[in-house]
Amino acid sequence: GENVEQHPSTLSVQEGDSAVIKCTYSDSASNYFPWYKQELGKRPQLIIDIRSNVGEKKDQRIAVTLNKTAKHFSLHITETQPEDSAVYFCAASKGNNRLAFGKGNQVVVIP
Amino acid sequence: DGGITQSPKYLFRKEGQNVTLSCEQNLNHDAMYWYRQDPGQGLRLIYYSQIVNDFQKGDIAEGYSVSREKKESFPLTVTSAQKNPTAFYLCASSLTGGSNTEAFFGQGTRLTVV
Repeated sequence: GENVEQHPSTLSVQEGDSAVIKCTYSDSASNYFPWYKQELGKRPQLIIDIRSNVGEKKDQRIAVTLNKTAKHFSLHITETQPEDSAVYFCAASKGNNRLAFGKGNQVVVIP
Repeated sequence: DGGITQSPKYLFRKEGQNVTLSCEQNLNHDAMYWYRQDPGQGLRLIYYSQIVNDFQKGDIAEGYSVSREKKESFPLTVTSAQKNPTAFYLCASSLTGGSNTEAFFGQGTRLTVV
């Protein structure tokens, strides 16, 4: 099955700086790559996703890039704010709606 | 709130007992999922269902059972065969039809074996 890995496991950034989280996947047939944010004590919520026919997607301060050749995709958060502190999960699937999640990254934004 | 509801929020079980976690959605989604979340382990898929009366095992199905008698409901039973059941359980749902779409999560049930 699909194996998704996230790096680093914990990331601390100064408020206003950028944060980048990278994920790698193993199955070249995967074609959908969402990112979920889980705040402490809350449910995971989708923040951005990308499909394999696109290399980059932006939504305000967040962006996701996809490198199909290298089988990795990254989440970029610019101008980080304290409310960006959370656990971020990447995932991958290949048309069957069965998402394989990474282990999550704890992002801490230092005011 | 989000259209997908899990109950109860907290659940305590004695060793050797089966327990059932509820998940209901009013989003008219065909697909439903159960994940287990442990610290440092991410979200691991237990079971999923793409349509009523059909479901498939995920990566860690041993010790769990599900049913999908109605589109809106996908209850998860944690049986006594599950060796380490204490965890946070998340239910999710999504549209299906062969195209990947956003999964909506419930607020979770924290199960503790006492």
